[in-house]
Amino acid sequence: DQQVKQNSPSLSVQEGRISILNCDYTNSMFDYFLWYKKYPAEGPTFLISISSIKDKNEDGRFTVFLNKSAKHLSLHIVPSQPGDSAVYFCAAPNFGNEKLTFGTGTRLTIIP
Amino acid sequence: KAGVTQTPRYLIKTRGQQVTLSCSPISGHRSVSWYQQTPGQGLQFLFEYFSETQRNKGNFPGRFSGRQFSNSRSEMNVSTLELGDSALYLCASSLAGINSPLHFGNGTRLTVT
Repeated sequence: DQQVKQNSPSLSVQEGRISILNCDYTNSMFDYFLWYKKYPAEGPTFLISISSIKDKNEDGRFTVFLNKSAKHLSLHIVPSQPGDSAVYFCAAPNFGNEKLTFGTGTRLTIIP
Repeated sequence: KAGVTQTPRYLIKTRGQQVTLSCSPISGHRSVSWYQQTPGQGLQFLFEYFSETQRNKGNFPGRFSGRQFSNSRSEMNVSTLELGDSALYLCASSLAGINSPLHFGNGTRLTVT
């Protein structure tokens, strides 16, 4: 049962343009979401988070939007840079059992 | 501050063998979690330890086990290895569990032949 879904395995975007990565969830109990970024041969690093009491959170070039009624969140990267090429995972904590539920990831490639 | 350290980085084992992976968390972090990453499956939760106690376990067979020591270092063990156990095993530490950000190590790449 994939409670957090990233339906696009890959995405290519021109440098300087906007990258939009999408994530859907099914568990209405999730009330906090995180995005992690992963380079090859490295562990995931935390990027940005959002609580369900907000519908938007910004940190520099990164903005996460949450649509609770649609159970959908998205990560916007503007402008996209070559160093943004990585795999991006969305995740939701299940506070009842101390685990993060991750999506399957989207591989973002920024084309110079 | 040193990050999460996982050893070894790479391992090659044959079916039926057992393996032990090690994780040293960030100093002061008492929670250690383990995740398995395989292509197409994302990161799957294995277990979480806090102050030497396993607080939760994911949906993995009993061949997967772990422990945490008094200095918060953790090990995970996989016995009777199967080909499907080939994966990247990631350890993450945090101050108190998922109420605080998880910091991941670079993982151990296990290949079972």
